Amino acid sequence: GAVVSQHPSRVICKSGTSVKIECRSLDFQATTMFWYRQFPKQSLMLMATSNEGSKATYEQGVEKDKFLINHASLTLSTLTVTSAHPEDSSFYICSASRPSEGNTIYFGEGSWLTVV
Amino acid sequence: KNEVEQSPQNLTAQEGEFITINCSYSVGISALHWLQQHPGGGIVSLFMLSSGKKKHGRLIATINIQEKHSSLHITASHPRDSAVYICAVRSGGGADGLTFGKGTHLIIQP
Repeated sequence: GAVVSQHPSRVICKSGTSVKIECRSLDFQATTMFWYRQFPKQSLMLMATSNEGSKATYEQGVEKDKFLINHASLTLSTLTVTSAHPEDSSFYICSASRPSEGNTIYFGEGSWLTVV
Repeated sequence: KNEVEQSPQNLTAQEGEFITINCSYSVGISALHWLQQHPGGGIVSLFMLSSGKKKHGRLIATINIQEKHSSLHITASHPRDSAVYICAVRSGGGADGLTFGKGTHLIIQP
């Protein structure tokens, strides 16, 4: 079964609204989770590193005020796309490493966001 | 910043063929991952390598740290192997995110 769960898998929202995507580690604690974005026919790109109990670390070019990350517990990180625009339409996916398995990386199922 | 190059970008082969996908990177790494992405977007981690060779079923992954190169091999390929295979590297420890190659789109025809 899934080790990292992401929800929702697909979401359509109107321009200007906000949408929240959740990433959960199901049976392990993840002090660090990662958020990635993938535009059509492009490679995955790291957006930010989500750190439990502290501020996220954003990659260059990623607007921290637009992509809000909250890692309030050791099993949950959320990504909120605020004031969404059509150009934010993309595939968003999270990952976490499982320490008991030599830091094997597990990915969430991913979330397809369409902003209309 | 690490540059990750994969080849080929696209590969179509017949069932049963031996498949090789290559990955090179520009800067020293702590680990290299081979990932499989299916059309729906879901990603599965196939291997994590820091040296040598790993084998899982029909899949074999090798890495040459000195040459900054890794290969993923699929033996006795099957149509269900059709997917995008992605090479990703981690430069630091567990707190560092991955840098991805563009992926290799593999189609295995029956």
